[in-house]
Amino acid sequence: NAGVMQNPRHLVRRRGQEARLRCSPMKGHSHVYWYRQLPEEGLKFMVYLQKENIIDESGMPKERFSAEFPKEGPSILRIQQVVRGDSAAYFCASSEQRTSEYEQYFGPGTRLTVT
Amino acid sequence: QKEVEQNSGPLSVPEGAIASLNCTYSDRGSQSFFWYRQYSGKSPELIMFIYSNGDKEDGRFTAQLNKASQYVSLLIRDSQPSDSATYLCAVNPGANNLFFGTGTRLTVIP
Repeated sequence: NAGVMQNPRHLVRRRGQEARLRCSPMKGHSHVYWYRQLPEEGLKFMVYLQKENIIDESGMPKERFSAEFPKEGPSILRIQQVVRGDSAAYFCASSEQRTSEYEQYFGPGTRLTVT
Repeated sequence: QKEVEQNSGPLSVPEGAIASLNCTYSDRGSQSFFWYRQYSGKSPELIMFIYSNGDKEDGRFTAQLNKASQYVSLLIRDSQPSDSATYLCAVNPGANNLFFGTGTRLTVIP
């Protein structure tokens, strides 16, 4: 049962370092979404990708954050020069097709702590 | 204005009772609606989705959708302590992503 996989599960970074979060979608899924969940807050959409394409990055902060989904390998969410406010749970979800027709399934998340 | 509103709770019900969770949304063009369950420290788990007005039942869970009132609900029958979690309502307004409410925390008391 190959669900959505994310690694690492926990990541600690000092301020100013880079954080790299990886996501492998569920088998047969070609659509990947990244969400961020701050403590005691709801999930907020960041970016939607298909293989080699960023489809919608309207929820992504303009600076320091980037995402990719290469032809081979997992999707990567990169945060450069992390700050304490970046501490959150980052979830990846995948779907078989575009969301309005198909459900999204979430991975276990990466909990980022910036010290 | 928030796109999706939920009562944050906590909502407490005794074991065996019906738990009723409610959600309203602002975008009339919303097409699909989802309920996720999230245990503390875990990821959201999809438990129900509904696209058409009316009721949809799956085991102990029933989702209800009323597009005219922009209202979606989740009923949990015969509530169990293992149902204690935060329930997230999510709405797709025809965009590329889901809009989530902040969740309702449910506690089922043995």
